Amino acid sequence: EAGVVQSPRYKIIEKKQPVAFWCNPISGHNTLYWYLQNLGQGPELLIRYENEEAVDDSQLPKDRFSAERLKGVDSTLKIQPAELGDSAVYLCASSSGLAGQETQYFGPGTRLLVL
Amino acid sequence: AQSVTQLDSQVPVFEEAPVELRCNYSSSVSVYLFWYVQYPNQGLQLLLKYLSGSTLVKGINGFEAEFNKSQTSFHLRKPSVHISDTAEYFCAVSEGFQKLVFGTGTRLLVSP
Repeated sequence: EAGVVQSPRYKIIEKKQPVAFWCNPISGHNTLYWYLQNLGQGPELLIRYENEEAVDDSQLPKDRFSAERLKGVDSTLKIQPAELGDSAVYLCASSSGLAGQETQYFGPGTRLLVL
Repeated sequence: AQSVTQLDSQVPVFEEAPVELRCNYSSSVSVYLFWYVQYPNQGLQLLLKYLSGSTLVKGINGFEAEFNKSQTSFHLRKPSVHISDTAEYFCAVSEGFQKLVFGTGTRLLVSP
């Protein structure tokens, strides 16, 4: 069974430039998560999707971050414009069943460096 | 709101020695508890989880954890570690159908 796929694995951009991350969850998983992981910290939820609906985006900085999950499968997370403080690892995860109880399966992440 | 505290940022240990990674949580309601492991340049992988029932939970790779409600703890243990256990370990908590909240992680360093 294929795991959660993320691309790119690494991205280096200059500040004020836009950047996008892509995630393909495990087949059949209706719940998709985007997390931000700063160096030396645990993952922090940015947004959670149930199928196509964003059910928890309270921690997403909406002035510069946006996300979409068309057709309830793949998802894209975008930052525009990027700031120096956005340098971090962006993790995508997916799960089936009930949020909060079900195992989340994580992708390898996209490491972003903003110069 | 729930929170998780992992007091030890780093735990050095020799190979074949036992190890305990500590996790305490705060919540006003019943919780679900998880331990995830993150190997270098990889995503997180579930080690074990407590949802209900027996307070001693066994996971993969010989790890186990015990849920202690009175002490609000969920410490992770392994009786004999291997070099390959070197990784970052994250404790996480959720309330009901809410989001997972992760601790800051504990880096386990296993030396020969």
